[in-house]
Amino acid sequence: EVQLVESGGNLVQPGGSLRLSCAASGFMFNMYAMHWVRQAPGRGLEYVSGISSNGGTTYYADSVKGRFTVSRDFYNNTLYLQMGFLRTEDMGVYYCAREIRVGGFCFDYWGQGILVSVSS
Amino acid sequence: DIQMTQSPSSLSASVGDRVTITCRASQNIATHLNWYQLKPGQAPKLLIYVASSLQSGVPSRFSGTGSGTDFTLTISSLQPEDIATYYCQQSHSFPPYTFGQGTKLEIK
Repeated sequence: EVQLVESGGNLVQPGGSLRLSCAASGFMFNMYAMHWVRQAPGRGLEYVSGISSNGGTTYYADSVKGRFTVSRDFYNNTLYLQMGFLRTEDMGVYYCAREIRVGGFCFDYWGQGILVSVSS
Repeated sequence: DIQMTQSPSSLSASVGDRVTITCRASQNIATHLNWYQLKPGQAPKLLIYVASSLQSGVPSRFSGTGSGTDFTLTISSLQPEDIATYYCQQSHSFPPYTFGQGTKLEIK
């Protein structure tokens, strides 16, 4: 069974840092690109970042470029999102998702999400 | 970036109703359009990919149509468990894989 479990969410002050983790199981982690998507309070889904299956290519939304870093650990089958210089607008639920290619690209499995709060 | 616009932003319907949600892309995305369902406290769920293909395990009352810039998600007979927010997502131009703003579906 495919499972994605996020962790690492917390309350952090503006300007602070946080690292999110997404533990993957039930599939060949090194075969799939992975992504982070977030939902701010009262807002819709927003694409945040992604990483290719081999970790060689990374992608970022303009809103987080230069502040966030995505990475993956193939030994521990874990996806990470290192978040720095956090702003109040970064607050929300963060989801990790697996990408598949079936004619086009889509996210077929998602985690339950982890809450990040940014407040002084 | 490609912009995705959903309508309506919210919708109230009765059990058994036929419900249609539309999604418009700011440019031609062929059939590179996905639909997701999001319920509070749950993981988002893929419903439809490449505009009209039903994800395994998704009830057949859900269907998707469209190509180019205009797309629709239809629920043929609304059930109480369909109460959720629905999002379209383009996968034609990346990064990023942009989402629509969401359509919140409620029971009347």
